[in-house]
Amino acid sequence: SQQGEEDPQALSIQEGENATMNCSYKTSINNLQWYRQNSGRGLVHLILIRSNEREKHSGRLRVTLDTSKKSSSLLITASRAADTASYFCATEASGSRLTFGEGTQLTVNP
Amino acid sequence: DAGVIQSPRHEVTEMGQEVTLRCKPISGHDYLFWYRQTMMRGLELLIYFNNNVPIDDSGMPEDRFSAKMPNASFSTLKIQPSEPRDSAVYFCASRRTGGPTQYFGPGTRLLVL
Repeated sequence: SQQGEEDPQALSIQEGENATMNCSYKTSINNLQWYRQNSGRGLVHLILIRSNEREKHSGRLRVTLDTSKKSSSLLITASRAADTASYFCATEASGSRLTFGEGTQLTVNP
Repeated sequence: DAGVIQSPRHEVTEMGQEVTLRCKPISGHDYLFWYRQTMMRGLELLIYFNNNVPIDDSGMPEDRFSAKMPNASFSTLKIQPSEPRDSAVYFCASRRTGGPTQYFGPGTRLLVL
C-alpha cells in the first residue's frame, strides 16, 4: 500500500492564487520529497525536506514537515497556468527506496 | 547533460508477446529503479539495483516480470508473456549514492491488447 496519502486528490484554482497540497505518511522517515509530473511525462524533483527540518523554501515553493503528525504540506504561491500538473509526495525511510503518494492533480486556470 | 533515457517511448503489443523495456541511467548514478504507474494503483516500485545488483524485487508482480542490469549504463525490464493488465507507463529512475533525489526518465507507455 502507498506510504503517503495526499489531499486533496484534485485542486482547481485561478492563476495568481496559492495552492496547498497535503501529504500524510505512516512510518518514521529520513526525508520527504515532492515531485511534479506533467501529463505524459516523467516525474521531476521539486524539493526535499529532511526529518529534522520543519520548513523549507525554494522559489515559489514552501514545504513544511510535522513529524509528530506524520504530515507535510506543499504551498505554491502566486500560481501560474504552467504549474498545472500532478504533485506527488515521496517518503524515504530506511534503505534507498522512495514510497510515493497517490498525487494531487492541480489545475491552474488562466 | 543527458538525463535518464528510456526506449521505446511507446509499445503496443498483443497478449502473449514478449516485451522488453530499456533504460540508460545518468552517468555516475549507481542506483537504478523501475516503477510502474497506473490509474488504479498509482506509482509502484517494481525493483531497484545498486551497483548493478538487484537489491529489492519485492514489487515485481509475478514471474512473468524480470529485470537485469548487465552494466552500469544499461538495464532491461522484460515481460513474458505479456497480458492486458500489464498495460501501464513504466518509468526508470536513477540516483547516486548520497543523493536522495531520483531522476526519472520519460517513461514507456505500454499497451497490451
